[in-house]
Formats: sequence, structure tokens, C-alpha cells
Amino acid sequence: GQNIDQPTEMTATEGAIVQINCTYQTSGFNGLFWYQQHAGEAPTFLSYNVLDGLEEKGRFSSFLSRSKGYSYLLLKELQMKDSASYLCAVTGANNLFFGTGTRLTVIP
Amino acid sequence: NAGVTQTPKFRVLKTGQSMTLLCAQDMNHEYMYWYRQDPGMGLRLIHYSVGEGTTAKGEVPDGYNVSRLKKQNFLLGLESAAPSQTSVYFCASTSGGGEKLFFGSGTQLSVL
Repeated sequence: GQNIDQPTEMTATEGAIVQINCTYQTSGFNGLFWYQQHAGEAPTFLSYNVLDGLEEKGRFSSFLSRSKGYSYLLLKELQMKDSASYLCAVTGANNLFFGTGTRLTVIP
Repeated sequence: NAGVTQTPKFRVLKTGQSMTLLCAQDMNHEYMYWYRQDPGMGLRLIHYSVGEGTTAKGEVPDGYNVSRLKKQNFLLGLESAAPSQTSVYFCASTSGGGEKLFFGSGTQLSVL
């Protein structure tokens, strides 16, 4: 089975840096995705990590440690539009299993 | 660029009624999925398909059926709706097991 844990809610200040953690236990792990979901909208792709290490993409970076079953999403220079839920998802053989998501609120 | 299209966007059913949700993708993707999203529960996989004519059960398949008669379409059926099936339903597709998912805009279903 799969077990994916992320914090339920986080609050951060505009212009700051925030790190959203995700830990997982799963069989047949292939890789880990991060998705962003604004309220009332569909999830949109942010990043995909297969190998250990940090992947940087503009203001967003994602890190993976396969041996520790751990990932984080780092958001820099926070903007008000970054207020959203951030979903961690792990891939199995043919499926993608999601955590419950972290609702991030960016305050002025 | 249509991508993944879900219909309808909203629906209200009475307990015991049936309905079908339609998902269509124009990206020639092999893999298609149906998820439901409930507050505090995240996205949960209902059924999925890895190719035309194939379907498989996900985490929460009970009360739902699916069909993939054509590669571009993936249908989700509720034969006898129950209030516990009130949820937001998302369809998604991808070209392969390790590729990113493209999501439809969602269907808000209420069962009274």
C-alpha cells in the first residue's frame, strides 16, 4: 500500500521562502510529483523527481531522497498567487497516488 | 488545444439515480484515470486504464464502473448513486506511467 504524509496547512509571508515536506512509504516507487491546485480548479504539474537531489525550476525547487522516503518543495520569493494547495504524489507501476495536500496561505 | 475535457461540470442526483461522466482527451494518451477529491482526503483513485479496452480498479472502486471503448474516451458510471458519492471528480490522462498527468476541469456531483 501507500502512505503519504504532508502538513495540512502552512502560512508564509509574501517575499519569503517556504518549504513543504512530504514523506512517503510505498511499494514499487518510481518517482515523485508535485502539483499545485488553486481552489476550485484542477491540479497543475510543478515538478517530477526520479533521482536523489534537487531539481530547480524558477522560483520552485523540489528535492528527493529515495533512501529516506522524503521530498520537499521549496518556494522562493513568495507571491500572493502562490496561495494554493500543494499535492505530493508518488508513482507506482501504473498509478499515481496523492497525499492529502498542503494548503499554503501567503499573507502580505 | 482542448487537452482533457470532462462533462458535465455540475450535476445533482437523487439517491438511486444513475449517471455517466464522460472524459475525452485529444493527446493520444494511453493512460487515463478517474479520481475523486473530498475535503481532507486528497485525490483518491477510483479506476484507471492503461489502454483501449482495458480497465483496472484503484483505491476506491466500489459503486463505480468504467469503460474505455475508444482510446480517447474514458467513461465513469454510477449505477445507483449514494450520498457518499458526493464529491468532485477529476479525470486525468498521461502518455506513460512516469509522465505527468493532465487533468480535466472537474465535475462537482451532489447526491441528495
